[in-house]
Amino acid sequence: KNEVEQSPQNLTAQEGEFITINCSYSVGISALHWLQQHPGGGIVSLFMLSSGKKKHGRLIATINIQEKHSSLHITASHPRDSAVYICAVPPFGNEKLTFGTGTRLTIIP
Amino acid sequence: GAVVSQHPSRVICKSGTSVKIECRSLDFQATTMFWYRQFPKQSLMLMATSNEGSKATYEQGVEKDKFLINHASLTLSTLTVTSAHPEDSSFYICSAPQGIGSYEQYFGPGTRLTVT
Repeated sequence: KNEVEQSPQNLTAQEGEFITINCSYSVGISALHWLQQHPGGGIVSLFMLSSGKKKHGRLIATINIQEKHSSLHITASHPRDSAVYICAVPPFGNEKLTFGTGTRLTIIP
Repeated sequence: GAVVSQHPSRVICKSGTSVKIECRSLDFQATTMFWYRQFPKQSLMLMATSNEGSKATYEQGVEKDKFLINHASLTLSTLTVTSAHPEDSSFYICSAPQGIGSYEQYFGPGTRLTVT
């Protein structure tokens, strides 16, 4: 069983829709990363959070440490948001990241 | 913000040859860098941890003699795929934590290797 589970695996939505991607993990962690990977392959770190909520533009990330769950939300989605979104966690005392399988998001104009 | 670069971004080589991929931290020092491999439609898999001034630590199943890692300085790690074969064709990405014990990681743009 993967230590980091994401859902859904694939998501197609219309432009403007509110998007939610979920991540559950089974190990104790210090922080959780949300990453974005565009079709070209390059990875951008969107958020690193260890509690509560963070917001950057139209992106919001929340985490519940007790429930071992995090969500990534995109408001007013746009075709340029189409990418693979990956959550990753470093287990306690470890810089190494364990990655979720990713959520492939496609926003249709 | 911190930037990590990789070179080359794309390389095509013939089977049996060796390919070197560089990973540089541009505005911070990285005593540790991580090398990942990603096959199409799959998640990133950690290959090895590169340590400045000491030997790399390889993950289970990764051949250290095939994937040579050298962390020559606090800003440069190299991955050499030796005697490359078509099954080594993949997307190789490096990352670096911004400081010792930091959980903030910065990713390189990746190198797409195609072995013909």
